Amino acid sequence: DQQVKQNSPSLSVQEGRISILNCDYTNSMFDYFLWYKKYPAEGPTFLISISSIKDKNEDGRFTVFLNKSAKHLSLHIVPSQPGDSAVYFCAASALISGTYKYIFGTGTRLKVLA
Amino acid sequence: GAGVSQSPSNKVTEKGKDVELRCDPISGHTALYWYRQSLGQGLEFLIYFQGNSAPDKSGLPSDRFSAERTGGSVSTLTIQRTQQEDSAVYLCASSLEQIYGYTFGSGTRLTVV
Repeated sequence: DQQVKQNSPSLSVQEGRISILNCDYTNSMFDYFLWYKKYPAEGPTFLISISSIKDKNEDGRFTVFLNKSAKHLSLHIVPSQPGDSAVYFCAASALISGTYKYIFGTGTRLKVLA
Repeated sequence: GAGVSQSPSNKVTEKGKDVELRCDPISGHTALYWYRQSLGQGLEFLIYFQGNSAPDKSGLPSDRFSAERTGGSVSTLTIQRTQQEDSAVYLCASSLEQIYGYTFGSGTRLTVV
């Protein structure tokens, strides 16, 4: 049972345009959400996060939007750059049985075309 | 060190052999996690350490998998009698407190032939 879903395995975007990566979750107990970026042969690196008390968090070219009623979050990258080409994982966390559990999506491979 | 260090970076082993994967977390990080990523899959949680104890081992796929952490620092993940389905990238992550996001290592790519 995939509690965090990234339904688009891949996405191609022209340099300078907006990249929108989507993530859906099923468990309403999730209260903290993160995006990680992963280059080949490297571990994922933290990109941006959002708490469930907010609906938007912005950091430079990266903005994460949270729609709690739809159980949906998205990552916007604008303008997209070739160096943004990577696999992006969303993650959701909740306190379950005294432990913070982080559940990751399956990732979306973003390719930014020069 | 400055980041989470994992060794070896690549491991090829014969089916049925035991393997040990090592993780050196960031100094002072009390929380340590093991994940694995199989081909086409997301990041699958294996085990969580707080200090030297493992309050959550729910992700270990079978009793062939075990992990320990000593001195609140280095952790080893041991897979006994490896099977081909164990082939994956095994990622270790640490964080200062459980509530914060992680810092991941570069992973160990395990191939069982």
